[in-house]
Amino acid sequence: DTAVSQTPKYLVTQMGNDKSIKCEQNLGHDTMYWYKQDSKKFLKIMFSYNNKELIINETVPNRFSPKSPDKAHLNLHINSLELGDSAVYFCASSHGLILNTEAFFGQGTRLTVV
Amino acid sequence: AQKVTQAQTEISVVEKEDVTLDCVYETRDTTYYLFWYKQPPSGELVFLIRRNSFDEQNEISGRYSWNFQKSTSSFNFTITASQVVDSAVYFCALSERRDNYGQNFVFGPGTRLSVLP
Repeated sequence: DTAVSQTPKYLVTQMGNDKSIKCEQNLGHDTMYWYKQDSKKFLKIMFSYNNKELIINETVPNRFSPKSPDKAHLNLHINSLELGDSAVYFCASSHGLILNTEAFFGQGTRLTVV
Repeated sequence: AQKVTQAQTEISVVEKEDVTLDCVYETRDTTYYLFWYKQPPSGELVFLIRRNSFDEQNEISGRYSWNFQKSTSSFNFTITASQVVDSAVYFCALSERRDNYGQNFVFGPGTRLSVLP
């Protein structure tokens, strides 16, 4: 009964490939996020969706495309992968309209581009 | 814009010592929410505590305690009698409203705590 689950946990791929990371939450939350954690551990918001609508789209290359088929899922597709895309990607969810709630995070996907 | 600063990049202590992790935030909102997360070596992000801006009462949970001071925009985290299992990266975060709906969490850069046996 995992709250936020993302797959795969590890992803090793070559430059130029296209890959997807999937995320699902069973908490009934209306807001989902993608965060990127670089090698220095900085956590930076990439995207946020509220009820399937894009709310936050921080300065992210358009090779990254999120897709939310319903409010329980937020997938991340990355085209033409580059070495600099190597990082840990975290999916999270929260009750977006209630600020006094924490975000629940998935276990992370470690993406390595070679 | 919201900003969270954790000036201590890395801290090392010997087991059983007390240690305080500092967090300073910036926001123009009068109502806001602060959080601490722990990221152990296994990599997951574990929620520890949240605090409302209008509740300055300090909180204690076992060996953990949090000191929220609105006057200095600080939300510091103290571990008493540290243990090796406390070794982790600790993140302070601020919750903000985006565009009248939706929520964003702004994270500090993290403090890596190493507790040596």
